[in-house]
Amino acid sequence: ETGVTQSPTHLIKTRGQQVTLRCSSQSGHNTVSWYQQALGQGPQFIFQYYREEENGRGNFPPRFSGLQFPNYSSELNVNALELDDSALYLCASRPQGADGYTFGSGTRLTVV
Amino acid sequence: GENVEQHPSTLSVQEGDSAVIKCTYSDSASNYFPWYKQELGKGPQLIIDIRSNVGEKKDQRIAVTLNKTAKHFSLHITETQPEDSAVYFCAASTTGGGADGLTFGKGTHLIIQP
Repeated sequence: ETGVTQSPTHLIKTRGQQVTLRCSSQSGHNTVSWYQQALGQGPQFIFQYYREEENGRGNFPPRFSGLQFPNYSSELNVNALELDDSALYLCASRPQGADGYTFGSGTRLTVV
Repeated sequence: GENVEQHPSTLSVQEGDSAVIKCTYSDSASNYFPWYKQELGKGPQLIIDIRSNVGEKKDQRIAVTLNKTAKHFSLHITETQPEDSAVYFCAASTTGGGADGLTFGKGTHLIIQP
């Protein structure tokens, strides 16, 4: 049991649409990160939230945005979807003071 | 920013033999190096990690070595078993994956031949 739950598991959207992906972390995991994993590649860092504030961002445009809530859940929002946004989106969290992240199983997003 | 190179991309070994996967990193400020195992349809699972103040760490059949001077680190799996078959990713970060997140290699597909 990973302790990090993501929903939905699969999603198909049309180019130009908006999507919201959700993540539920373990209690006490106040740091959450989101990653994009293209097929056959390693995960790429999108951004990180700590205590509901974004405190780090990778090389992704502003149409990728997020939220973290007090109940250890979080969201990734992507506006104006492009075909290249098709990927596995991973949520990862960790408790304060820990190094290692626990990853969820991801949401497979397909943009057509 | 950080860049992590991982080799080989595919590794096939006989069951019971050892497997070694190597990674190099570019940012000398990186101080945290985890290894993840990803099985089909699942998210990455942390299997072992090491901080830059340690040269080697071992956990049963798995070990990681770090050479800070050369900026490379390796994963060693001994007595390989069929359940070790998966894609393995190395990663590097500063401050334990803080504001810059984890930078991953492209992965190694490990195949254990019976």
